[in-house]
Amino acid sequence: DQQVKQNSPSLSVQEGRISILNCDYTNSMFDYFLWYKKYPAEGPTFLISISSIKDKNEDGRFTVFLNKSAKHLSLHIVPSQPGDSAVYFCAASVKRSGGGADGLTFGKGTHLIIQP
Amino acid sequence: DSGVTQTPKHLITATGQRVTLRCSPRSGDLSVYWYQQSLDQGLQFLIQYYNGEERAKGNILERFSAQQFPDLHSELNLSSLELGDSALYFCASSGTRLVGTGELFFGEGSRLTVL
Repeated sequence: DQQVKQNSPSLSVQEGRISILNCDYTNSMFDYFLWYKKYPAEGPTFLISISSIKDKNEDGRFTVFLNKSAKHLSLHIVPSQPGDSAVYFCAASVKRSGGGADGLTFGKGTHLIIQP
Repeated sequence: DSGVTQTPKHLITATGQRVTLRCSPRSGDLSVYWYQQSLDQGLQFLIQYYNGEERAKGNILERFSAQQFPDLHSELNLSSLELGDSALYFCASSGTRLVGTGELFFGEGSRLTVL
């Protein structure tokens, strides 16, 4: 059973427009959400995160929105640039006590293609 | 550069064989995670080690095992390999200062091809 779902395998957006990537989760114990970006032949890199106590977090062109009641989060990129073309993974974690960061549960990813 | 080093980058082997993938975490990071990415699949969590101790297990097959050594590097051992084990295997590490946030730093991955 997939606990983190990204239902759009790919998304094509015109350069300069807004890209919206969606993610749904089923585990109500998740309390921290992250987006990772992955280029071909590279490992995923952290992009932006949000704690469950917030509903929005913004970092430059990237904003993540969290709707806890709907168990849904989204990543907005505006304006979209050619370098944003990559696979975006949504991930979630459950806090643990005793030190050490938590393992992450990932979605299958959405391939974002920015068209000139 | 994430600071996480994985070797080898590519590996081709035959069914039934055994391989070892190696990971050096970022300097100072105590946690090491292994993930598997198969074709059209997301990153599947395999196992986590924290300061030498196994901390969490995901969908890791019994044919697979891992360990974290005193110098904090980790190895993932895959045995009795099957065609379906062909995948990209990622190692990630996390720093103690990020306790609870879940942010991971990934290596570039080891691509395993089983023929």
